[in-house]
Amino acid sequence: QSVLTQPPSASGTPGQRVTISCSGSSSNIGSNYVYWYQQLPGTAPKLLIYRNDQRPSGVPDRFSGSKSGTSASLAISGLRSEDEADYYCAAWDDSLVVFGGGTRLTVL
Amino acid sequence: EVQLVESGGGLVQPGGSLRLSCAASGFTFTNYGMSWVRQAPGKGLEWVSVISGSSGTTYYADSVKGRFTISRDNSKNTLYLQMNSLRAEDTAIYYCAKVIRVTAVSIAGFDYWGQGTLVTVSS
Repeated sequence: QSVLTQPPSASGTPGQRVTISCSGSSSNIGSNYVYWYQQLPGTAPKLLIYRNDQRPSGVPDRFSGSKSGTSASLAISGLRSEDEADYYCAAWDDSLVVFGGGTRLTVL
Repeated sequence: EVQLVESGGGLVQPGGSLRLSCAASGFTFTNYGMSWVRQAPGKGLEWVSVISGSSGTTYYADSVKGRFTISRDNSKNTLYLQMNSLRAEDTAIYYCAKVIRVTAVSIAGFDYWGQGTLVTVSS
């Protein structure tokens, strides 16, 4: 049981916009930044979004993050086949890092 | 170019010990916190531990507290994870990761990750 709650799966067709949610509490998302990671099959995770809504250089602007209260969301617009991956949210929570359980995104 | 290369994984019996290493290059190692994150086969990411650049601050997940010790040698640009009293549930790929912000440690942002090293705990 993860501290941060994500839907286990999501899907969309090429070109669509999909959103992945991440629900937490006042001790993690409610009072700290949210980070998002993308993990392609068989590879190490990659930082996708930092400080709630900032993209590292090289991350396409199709990816966007937002936070409101104790929840956060990752949106992917113009969905592409190469976006098929696992996505994780993470936040600091009183002396430790908590991850969401991960969302497997399927591009139909 | 930032590079993180883990080593030291392998097969170990329950109750045994193992020390993982992570060789870092391409950035000023002493300025950044470093972390270990693991992933059991077919499962999600689980944070293990983080250490500040000066080694003055460390944090651990409850699941490893008292059994694992994170440390670093800034003269060798190397991060370590000493794992004792290993259990079957510690079986995972262990990734080392660089904290995104200078001098920070209490954040969940990791901008570079190694390729991981597999630890298997089994008799």
